[in-house]
Amino acid sequence: DAGVIQSPRHEVTEMGQEVTLRCKPISGHDYLFWYRQTMMRGLELLIYFNNNVPIDDSGMPEDRFSAKMPNASFSTLKIQPSEPRDSAVYFCASSPQPGGNTIYFGEGSWLTVV
Amino acid sequence: GENVEQHPSTLSVQEGDSAVIKCTYSDSASNYFPWYKQELGKRPQLIIDIRSNVGEKKDQRIAVTLNKTAKHFSLHITETQPEDSAVYFCAASKKTGANNLFFGTGTRLTVIP
Repeated sequence: DAGVIQSPRHEVTEMGQEVTLRCKPISGHDYLFWYRQTMMRGLELLIYFNNNVPIDDSGMPEDRFSAKMPNASFSTLKIQPSEPRDSAVYFCASSPQPGGNTIYFGEGSWLTVV
Repeated sequence: GENVEQHPSTLSVQEGDSAVIKCTYSDSASNYFPWYKQELGKRPQLIIDIRSNVGEKKDQRIAVTLNKTAKHFSLHITETQPEDSAVYFCAASKKTGANNLFFGTGTRLTVIP
């Protein structure tokens, strides 16, 4: 398996622009997680899905952030409009089940908003 | 919810020495405790994990200990090598229910050759 695949790997965008990050989880994994990593706050869970259904989105910072999982092999995290404080590394991860099983991270999407 | 605290935030050791990183957790229902290593510019990767039915687990130079009564667990790296330099994250999670990993804030380990 190729692991969790994320795109783009790097993105630089101007403030106010829409940003869409994409993720393909490991085949057969029922859980998909979106994390954000910054120096100040470390690894923060934004949202996670179980069988394509959002279970907990309490970590989503504000209405500018939205996430979807239209099918078992694809998820998007969208920021609209983007702000400089959104600059971070966004990791997608998947797991066969949460709690008691490993979650596997993608390589991350490095976002810079200028 | 769960709160995981990790110490120290930075740690420097001489090559060949041991390194110890400690974490505490707040939710007594947590029963799965993985450790992730993140090299610069890379993704976090699992290096070892422990479940609450055991007190210690070893894998070559790496070991993890768990004290459920005190709600703390530790990562031990012996005979450190320069390639051990990275950020290490502890995490805690519950086995049942719709849960996820709660991460500590990370420890930047530097092994000095």
